[in-house]
Amino acid sequence: EVQLVESGGTLVQAGESLRLSCAASEFRFDDYAMHWVRQAPGKGLEWVSGISWNGGTLGYADSVRGRFTISRDNAKSSLYLQMNSLRPADTALYYCTKQSFSGSYGQPSFDSWGQGTLVTVSS
Amino acid sequence: QSVLTQPPSASGTPGQGVTISCSGSSSNIATNNVYWYQHLPGTAPKLLIYRNDQRPPGVPDRFSGSKSGTSASLAISGLRSEDEGDYYCAAWDDTLSGPVFGGGTKLTVL
Repeated sequence: EVQLVESGGTLVQAGESLRLSCAASEFRFDDYAMHWVRQAPGKGLEWVSGISWNGGTLGYADSVRGRFTISRDNAKSSLYLQMNSLRPADTALYYCTKQSFSGSYGQPSFDSWGQGTLVTVSS
Repeated sequence: QSVLTQPPSASGTPGQGVTISCSGSSSNIATNNVYWYQHLPGTAPKLLIYRNDQRPPGVPDRFSGSKSGTSASLAISGLRSEDEGDYYCAAWDDTLSGPVFGGGTKLTVL
């Protein structure tokens, strides 16, 4: 069974930085695009960022472009999200998700999700 | 506001059927596939429908999806108490160059 375990979430002050990690196992990590999706308290799901299987294609939501950077290390089966200039509006549970189909990128077909890591940004 | 529009709530009694709508535009639903997610309390979201009307392995045939023009729908038949939770539609948006989600519909089984 696919395992995705997020870490790195914590309480930070506005303007600070944070790096989230996602450790993947039980599937061929370097065959699949990966994404971050977040859910703010009391709100719906919001796609944050995605990266193709080889890191050649990156995508960001307008709300985080220029502040967040997604990356991956296929040798370590790990996904990362570097979050800079954090704002209170970034407070959310951040999920690591796996694209359903190998080699594809973009379509929001996420067949596996982690349990999420909570980021809280205080003002 | 979300790019994709869903009703905030829906309800039904056990055994009944319910339909949740998702309205988009020419830059998303009209030209791309629609996906549906189930998010039950205390759990991670689960892919329920992919490519408009396809069910992943393990998803009961009580759940079905459809798409027409700039709108899509999720139909749930034979409601059960365990179906209570939030449901989201999603699609790729060509203008935004990224996936977008609907605002979510909270399903209550009375």
